[in-house]
Amino acid sequence: EVQLVQSGAEVKKPGESLKISCKGSGYSFTSYWIGWVRQMPGKGLEWMGIIYPGDSDTRYSPSFQGQVTISADKSISTAYLQWSSLKASDTAMYYCARHNYDILTGYYYMDVWGKGTTVTVSS
Amino acid sequence: QTVVTQEPSFSVSPGGTVTLTCGLSSGSVSTSYYPSWYQQTPGQAPRTLIYSTNTRSSGVPDRFSGSILGNKAALTITGAQADDESDYYCVLYMGSIRWVFGGGTKLTVL
Repeated sequence: EVQLVQSGAEVKKPGESLKISCKGSGYSFTSYWIGWVRQMPGKGLEWMGIIYPGDSDTRYSPSFQGQVTISADKSISTAYLQWSSLKASDTAMYYCARHNYDILTGYYYMDVWGKGTTVTVSS
Repeated sequence: QTVVTQEPSFSVSPGGTVTLTCGLSSGSVSTSYYPSWYQQTPGQAPRTLIYSTNTRSSGVPDRFSGSILGNKAALTITGAQADDESDYYCVLYMGSIRWVFGGGTKLTVL
């Protein structure tokens, strides 16, 4: 079974750093892009960025460029989302999602989702 | 920055048909944006319904269908059921390995 298992909920203070994870299993981790999606409390989904674990090619939404860092360790089939200095406005649910390749169109779509990691930033 | 637009809310009667749309603040949505649709119920992760405009994801009932209607992508639910009451999000591919979500539509079945 293809699965993405995310790390547990985090409670942090403003200014602290954080790295959350997303571990893939049941498929070739290095062959699929993995993306991150933010959902602030009571709000919609926002696409943040994506990484290809095979070569660590990483792209960011302009809204998130410079705010977070996406990385991956292919040796343990795990992608990461990290912050160097958290803000209260980073309080949200964060989902990872595998981007699958549609062979008919040659493009990608999100097909498998993690259950999400809740991040709470409060003093 | 381009904004992807969706109706904030919609309602449908049980057994009825509803079409949710996904547009652009500037320009038209075409198949070149490879629109996809996701369903999210409260407290749950999103579920993939439709990708590449009109391809149903595995296990999705055929009462969900995707299309291009005019200058927008569309998700049509035929024979709405109570458990279709959810938030629905479209996503458009913007090129350069980047995607943008719409604001989502809250669908009520009553």
